Amino acid sequence: EPEVTQTPSHQVTQMGQEVILRCVPISNHLYFYWYRQILGQKVEFLVSFYNNEISEKSEIFDDQFSVERPDGSNFTLKIRSTKLEDSAMYFCASSEVRRDTQYFGPGTRLTVL
Amino acid sequence: AQSVTQLDSHVSVSEGTPVLLRCNYSSSYSPSLFWYVQHPNKGLQLLLKYTSAATLVKGINGFEAEFKKSETSFHLTKPSAHMSDAAEYFCVVTTSRNKLVFGAGTILRVKS
Repeated sequence: EPEVTQTPSHQVTQMGQEVILRCVPISNHLYFYWYRQILGQKVEFLVSFYNNEISEKSEIFDDQFSVERPDGSNFTLKIRSTKLEDSAMYFCASSEVRRDTQYFGPGTRLTVL
Repeated sequence: AQSVTQLDSHVSVSEGTPVLLRCNYSSSYSPSLFWYVQHPNKGLQLLLKYTSAATLVKGINGFEAEFKKSETSFHLTKPSAHMSDAAEYFCVVTTSRNKLVFGAGTILRVKS
């Protein structure tokens, strides 16, 4: 069964460093999403992406964040200058069409020291 | 705006007894509703979804949920809990732009 994959599973970085989290969505899906879950808090929407542009973003998704689909398979989330409060589990998701079910990857745990 | 309230942060049941995880939602339009499950150190797995067809929705692993518009509820049930059901369960509602809004989660503990 097709699934969303994410790498790495765990990333440790120093405050101020750039990180790139990678996702491979399900191959025939067209809509891509990033969510995050800070420890002990709700899963929060960050951004949605379709047709090589951002469809919607939350207030969390400021200028420090960017997303890209650099090739036909990968979908990346970049944090330019990480802060301690960026420590969280980051989930990638994809859906075939806009109103369809979103399928999630296993997540990347980002730890900012 | 859409929101979800999961009424219990923790639920503990004995193996073989029924499971009830409660969820109330708020939506300004006819929403899609989901239950996702997260096992320890795993991703979010879809259990079931409601998209305005039948109000009683059957999912994987014997779970089902009933959409009750009059009560704005979407409670998750299972007749008989299994040890492998121990996990965190999230009730989720969509916005009109298909952004998912998550509840706070309910941790289900199953005692042997």
